[in-house]
Amino acid sequence: ETGVTQTPRHLVMGMTNKKSLKCEQHLGHNAMYWYKQSAKKPLELMFVYNFKEQTENNSVPSRFSPECPNSSHLFLHLHTLQPEDSALYLCASSQDRARRTQYFGPGTRLLVL
Amino acid sequence: EDQVTQSPEALRLQEGESSSLNCSYTVSGLRGLFWYRQDPGKGPEFLFTLYSAGEEKEKERLKATLTKKESFLHITAPKPEDSATYLCAVQRDLRHSGAGSYQLTFGKGTKLSVIP
Repeated sequence: ETGVTQTPRHLVMGMTNKKSLKCEQHLGHNAMYWYKQSAKKPLELMFVYNFKEQTENNSVPSRFSPECPNSSHLFLHLHTLQPEDSALYLCASSQDRARRTQYFGPGTRLLVL
Repeated sequence: EDQVTQSPEALRLQEGESSSLNCSYTVSGLRGLFWYRQDPGKGPEFLFTLYSAGEEKEKERLKATLTKKESFLHITAPKPEDSATYLCAVQRDLRHSGAGSYQLTFGKGTKLSVIP
């Protein structure tokens, strides 16, 4: 595997379900990010982790819970989501949070019914 | 607040018809301006980073330029495989603002369609 990988690529869940999204980066980076991409809207930064520590939370509802066990892995735990949470969830990484270039994974397309 | 505006929202070109995409930005001290390409259902693919006004970078049929207020992505003799959404993003230089974060602020993108 190279670059940034995400699983699953597609996910359908009910509003009462609990699911998790996984991201893994094979670039030796120390910063990882979660973004939300909805139709007709710019990418929205959700969370930033730098050397496993959360450095930013952009006012994300508590039904989204991130976890970063090490610099290579990032999870997004989902519970009691709303239909408006349906979107493409993208993971990205960079050398560290101050480094300019972020590299993105393919995303997880989430549909909440 | 940092702002990025991309125009046009959508652009249809005939194969071989050159054109430019625009990215206007407002940021209190620019650390970097980024161009990404995104294909449907996929993550953004990094194209270029520009750091200062006057800088230019090229890759195949693409050339990115930067001024103090905007960036252009010039596409020369495009091919159908250049069809994608092109995203622009800026990163703030915290030495100028003294506050905030290194997060990227993205525009909504320009959807480019190249017709054979």
